[in-house]
Amino acid sequence: KQEVTQIPAALSVPEGENLVLNCSFTDSAIYNLQWFRQDPGKGLTSLLLIQSSQREQTSGRLNASLDKSSGRSTLYIAASQPGDSATYLCAPGTSYGKLTFGQGTILTVHP
Amino acid sequence: SAVISQKPSRDICQRGTSLTIQCQVDSQVTMMFWYRQQPGQSLTLIATANQGSEATYESGFVIDKFPISRPNLTFSTLTVSNMSPEDSSIYLCSVETGRGANTGELFFGEGSRLTVL
Repeated sequence: KQEVTQIPAALSVPEGENLVLNCSFTDSAIYNLQWFRQDPGKGLTSLLLIQSSQREQTSGRLNASLDKSSGRSTLYIAASQPGDSATYLCAPGTSYGKLTFGQGTILTVHP
Repeated sequence: SAVISQKPSRDICQRGTSLTIQCQVDSQVTMMFWYRQQPGQSLTLIATANQGSEATYESGFVIDKFPISRPNLTFSTLTVSNMSPEDSSIYLCSVETGRGANTGELFFGEGSRLTVL
C-alpha cells in the first residue's frame, strides 16, 4: 500500500523567500506524480505533473523534481508571494487515475 | 483545462438519509473518479466510473453505500446512502482531460461539502 509523507506539515515565511516542500512515498512503482494546491474550502488545482520517466517539471516560479528510485519529490517555490498561501498536496499515481495523497504542507506567506 | 461542475456545493443532511452528488464536465471523458476528503484528512479514491459499465470501487468502499451512475461521457453521480456523521466529508469529482489528455494528469471539481447531523 502506497504511503505518502509530506514535510514540513506547516510552513510560515515572509514574502520573497524561496521554499522547498518535500514529499516521500513508499512504493516507487509509480505511473506519475502530481502536485496540487488547495485553497480553504475549495477543490484542488493541478500545479505540476511529472511522468515517471521524467526528473523534473517547471511552471513559472514552480519547479518539481522526482527521484523515483528513492521515492522522493520536491516542490520548489521561488520568490514566494502571499497569494501562494495554500495547502500543497503531493500525489503519486500508481495506476491510471489512482492517486495517493499526502497530508499536505500548509503554507502561509505573510507580507 | 476542462470545467468540472459539482452540485450541490454543500449540504447539511440528516442521519439515515441519502444524497446524490452530480458531476458535469464540459468535454467528453472516458473515466471519471470520485474522491473523498474527510475532515483534517487527505483525499482517498472511492471509485472509478466508466461510461456503460459498473463502477470499480477501492478497498473499503462498497456499491451499496456509494452507488455511482455514469449515463454518458460528460456526467456522473455519486450517492451517499444511509448517511451517518462519519460520512461528513468533501466529495470530489475528478477527470483526465484538456491538457492532461493521455498523460494521466487529473483535474478536480470544487467539491461537495456534506455535513451529516
